[in-house]
Amino acid sequence: GAVVSQHPSRVICKSGTSVKIECRSLDFQATTMFWYRQFPKQSLMLMATSNEGSKATYEQGVEKDKFLINHASLTLSTLTVTSAHPEDSSFYICSAWDSRKGGYTFGSGTRLTVV
Amino acid sequence: DAKTTQPNSMESNEEEPVHLPCNHSTISGTDYIHWYRQLPSQGPEYVIHGLTSNVNNRMASLAIAEDRKSSTLILHRATLRDAAVYYCILRGNNAGNMLTFGGGTRLMVKP
Repeated sequence: GAVVSQHPSRVICKSGTSVKIECRSLDFQATTMFWYRQFPKQSLMLMATSNEGSKATYEQGVEKDKFLINHASLTLSTLTVTSAHPEDSSFYICSAWDSRKGGYTFGSGTRLTVV
Repeated sequence: DAKTTQPNSMESNEEEPVHLPCNHSTISGTDYIHWYRQLPSQGPEYVIHGLTSNVNNRMASLAIAEDRKSSTLILHRATLRDAAVYYCILRGNNAGNMLTFGGGTRLMVKP
């Protein structure tokens, strides 16, 4: 079945630094990828929709200059958290639509801790 | 987006069937009913989806009410590995449509 590989699985960074999270679709092409954020004991919240070759669409309240999304190819989307602060600590998850099964495939998530 | 309503939590005994309900009274004619589950510290996993007819796959069955205002995810024999948060989500028919997650149902499986 379709696989979305997300890296890193865990990262600890210092406040003020930037962190890049990668999501790759391994056996299918993902024209559109979605980035979610999940705080402890809460549900997933959509941050942005990433489209290959064009600018991402951000949800209301998500700062596009802080959460940089790049979707340069049909198999790779990246999320960069710039100037990270402790309140950015969260579980970040990507997903892509798999037309073969008619459902979404999710990455395994990245646990970001900003200290 | 049409919303779904699920119980916050449910308990089941191992090796017994589990019926997870979902209400979606404002569903539109083109909305698909999707179910995903999320194990602790992992990304969500696709379980099943359907439009009007009941659906079966290796993981579960999906029973959809005739008026489509509710559905039930059926796990035929719960195992400890099925303990997860189960999300019932409505999705339109365009490839660019995102999933909007609600609170889901936390399923606890007792040995």
